[in-house]
Amino acid sequence: NAGVTQTPKFRVLKTGQSMTLLCAQDMNHEYMYWYRQDPGMGLRLIHYSVGEGTTAKGEVPDGYNVSRLKKQNFLLGLESAAPSQTSVYFCASSLMGYLNYEQYFGPGTRLTVT
Amino acid sequence: AQKITQTQPGMFVQEKEAVTLDCTYDTSDPSYGLFWYKQPSSGEMIFLIYQGSYDQQNATEGRYSLNFQKARKSANLVISASQLGDSAMYFCAMRQTQGGSEKLVFGKGTKLTVNP
Repeated sequence: NAGVTQTPKFRVLKTGQSMTLLCAQDMNHEYMYWYRQDPGMGLRLIHYSVGEGTTAKGEVPDGYNVSRLKKQNFLLGLESAAPSQTSVYFCASSLMGYLNYEQYFGPGTRLTVT
Repeated sequence: AQKITQTQPGMFVQEKEAVTLDCTYDTSDPSYGLFWYKQPSSGEMIFLIYQGSYDQQNATEGRYSLNFQKARKSANLVISASQLGDSAMYFCAMRQTQGGSEKLVFGKGTKLTVNP
């Protein structure tokens, strides 16, 4: 039982390049989330999904796209990376979207855009 | 707008003493949940404790307890008998589910340092 995994762990991109971050969970969770963490800013929700085939915008969705083709995977895409997207990206999942279900986090992906 | 405020950028505590980390929130919804997460220097996010807005009693999990004062909109984390391994960033978060949509907001965090 690996929990929540993220691929890759580190990445350096040049401005304008594209990439996809992969999040996978093996806990059969319905809800999945993508956050970014910047120094002094805490975590901010980018996009989330309430189930396979669904996605929804969070607090800071601009510049990102997501897809949830399979229940266990949630992909975050950057079509044209910008330096402002330099951040640590966390994926999380939870059993249901009810108030009392904790979110399980992946180890994070450190992305640098030069 | 929903908001979480953690007013203490950094806190220091002596080993074996208790410490309180402050968290205030702003919401007009009657139904919400409050979480505390720990983030050690290794970077992972570790769930500590949860409090629901309708819970009558304050949540407790081992050495962690949540001092929930609904009228004041505060949900402070109390760590008893601090240990060196408690040194980390601590984040308060509020979660609401409205009409099928999800809102989750994190505070900016408090860096706790436990001194030997």
